[in-house]
Amino acid sequence: QQQVRQSPQSLTVWEGETAILNCSYEDSTFNYFPWYQQFPGEGPALLISIRSVSDKKEDGRFTIFFNKREKKLSLHITDSQPGDSATYFCAPASSGSWQLIFGSGTQLTVMP
Amino acid sequence: DMKVTQMPRYLIKRMGENVLLECGQDMSHETMYWYRQDPGLGLQLIYISYDVDSNSEGDIPKGYRVSRKKREHFSLILDSAKTNQTSVYFCASTPGTHYAEQFFGPGTRLTVL
Repeated sequence: QQQVRQSPQSLTVWEGETAILNCSYEDSTFNYFPWYQQFPGEGPALLISIRSVSDKKEDGRFTIFFNKREKKLSLHITDSQPGDSATYFCAPASSGSWQLIFGSGTQLTVMP
Repeated sequence: DMKVTQMPRYLIKRMGENVLLECGQDMSHETMYWYRQDPGLGLQLIYISYDVDSNSEGDIPKGYRVSRKKREHFSLILDSAKTNQTSVYFCASTPGTHYAEQFFGPGTRLTVL
């Protein structure tokens, strides 16, 4: 599990603010970087992903910024909504195995 | 409506009892997974199944075994459950091993007393 580190462990923002969730990794063979979103009582679901050939991926209010040299990536959630309150997992994989390696997650709370 | 189902959703067992967790998917996915989730540890891979009767250990297989006799069903078995196996267990599936996205079930919360 130490292969993938996420910070902060928990984050609280106000509605309308931008939430920034961080992820770092050690394994240089990782080339696929998905973020999974998990609501209480449910299983994780893919939110957005990026391949290592790109440095940015945008999908609506969700954007991944990727820095291959520093082995870091971040998930930015703009105009945060109370419905975004969930736990977010960074779970990179290498195309050799496609086995997801989950970080410990960031619990996001968006206050109305 | 594609989905992964898990039964039961909640289970309480005594230490030493046998436990059977069931997972089903209606998408004809080849590859299925079992994970456990503990607070502060994210999801840890227990077993992978590449198809019927083709299973491999994940990162934490000790104390668990699996069975896949039909493509749509994948079972996790705990023989003589231990208290440290109290956790939330998730099943996931993908169309094949070279497909990136995993589809997760709702989880089974297992308590071993």
